Amino acid sequence: AQSVTQLDSHVSVSEGTPVLLRCNYSSSYSPSLFWYVQHPNKGLQLLLKYTSAATLVKGINGFEAEFKKSETSFHLTKPSAHMSDAAEYFCVVSATGGGADGLTFGKGTHLIIQP
Amino acid sequence: DAGVIQSPRHEVTEMGQEVTLRCKPISGHNSLFWYRQTMMRGLELLIYFNNNVPIDDSGMPEDRFSAKMPNASFSTLKIQPSEPRDSAVYFCASSPRQAYGYTFGSGTRLTVV
Repeated sequence: AQSVTQLDSHVSVSEGTPVLLRCNYSSSYSPSLFWYVQHPNKGLQLLLKYTSAATLVKGINGFEAEFKKSETSFHLTKPSAHMSDAAEYFCVVSATGGGADGLTFGKGTHLIIQP
Repeated sequence: DAGVIQSPRHEVTEMGQEVTLRCKPISGHNSLFWYRQTMMRGLELLIYFNNNVPIDDSGMPEDRFSAKMPNASFSTLKIQPSEPRDSAVYFCASSPRQAYGYTFGSGTRLTVV
């Protein structure tokens, strides 16, 4: 069994300040973890993924995330927010090795960027 | 590559009518997933296929929902009869293999009135 908890339903930051979107997971297997972004009226786009290689993962648009097994966390960060980052962000876990599971999505975090 | 293609983009239908949603995965991807997104529940996995074979349909809400993948380049999700509570955005996604990273289509926004 696996689950994902995104700790904040909404995050508001000022343009140019750091972004932190928090995600905790649980998984019976060594997990693969993903962050997806969804802009209004658009489909989901993969930002970055962790699949048991380097624990610090760099993604597109300046985002990165760090896998911390001891804390069962996979928080998403960006040093400086841009207005175009305003969107819904989903943390996702997938069991590896088990073979039978699809993805489990968090509820999403709505990122608001203040000018 | 055109990505995952879903049609139609928007569908408005009356309660009781049959609705068919379509998906064309990325060529060479052998896993295909159908998801439903609502405000209340977020994103839910409905069903997924590996090599055109349904692997897990435990997320399909009830017998009114059915999905098929007759070949590697096409899948359908059918709702018959449709109900207002089926109103949601339905996403299709494909992957070259599980846990590798998925590509999502733009979704079909279904409204049942």
